[in-house]
Amino acid sequence: DAEITQSPRHKITETGRQVTLACHQTWNHNNMFWYRQDLGHGLRLIHYSYGVQDTNKGEVSDGYSVSRSNTEDLPLTLESAASSQTSVYFCASSESTSPNTGELFFGEGSRLTVL
Amino acid sequence: KNQVEQSPQSLIILEGKNCTLQCNYTVSPFSNLRWYKQDTGRGPVSLTIMTFSENTKSNGRYTATLDADTKQSSLHITASQLSDSASYICVVSEPGTYKYIFGTGTRLKVLA
Repeated sequence: DAEITQSPRHKITETGRQVTLACHQTWNHNNMFWYRQDLGHGLRLIHYSYGVQDTNKGEVSDGYSVSRSNTEDLPLTLESAASSQTSVYFCASSESTSPNTGELFFGEGSRLTVL
Repeated sequence: KNQVEQSPQSLIILEGKNCTLQCNYTVSPFSNLRWYKQDTGRGPVSLTIMTFSENTKSNGRYTATLDADTKQSSLHITASQLSDSASYICVVSEPGTYKYIFGTGTRLKVLA
């Protein structure tokens, strides 16, 4: 079955370290998204991509970067982790045919703790 | 700015009972409204998607309604089950975009 997988599921790191969260989907979806989920906030968009070589900033992109070298993967990199980036991160993907009705599929999440 | 507000924040009901969750939004214009279920430690899973022209959509025991005039939506759960214990998230998107605005969710607990 097609799916979207994230790794690692849990990670503890130290302030200042570089961290990369992986996201891999097998649906061949063009659109991929990274969100973070924190208590008291709805999911907030970090970065998104509409296809290979396309990346765009979301509402909370500072301190994060992404790259899209193929359709299946959108890794999220924290260049220098900060305690404020402790969160649960979700990757999602959708088809490109219609934003009005296109289903949005989420991964299981990656819980990141920055000490 | 909170463009999607959900109420209540949390709710406890007994198994077999019905419940209704509320979502008010200020996103305008909007193209569609979605309800997601998120089990603890898992990613959100879609329950319903309604465009602005639809006013009701069902998925099994879940029925979502939409009043575009008052900018309100509700999710009604019929004959609740223990497996309904989860957070329910309302999501609104802007026309022609994949930019989704998420509510903070209602945490539902169903007791035996």
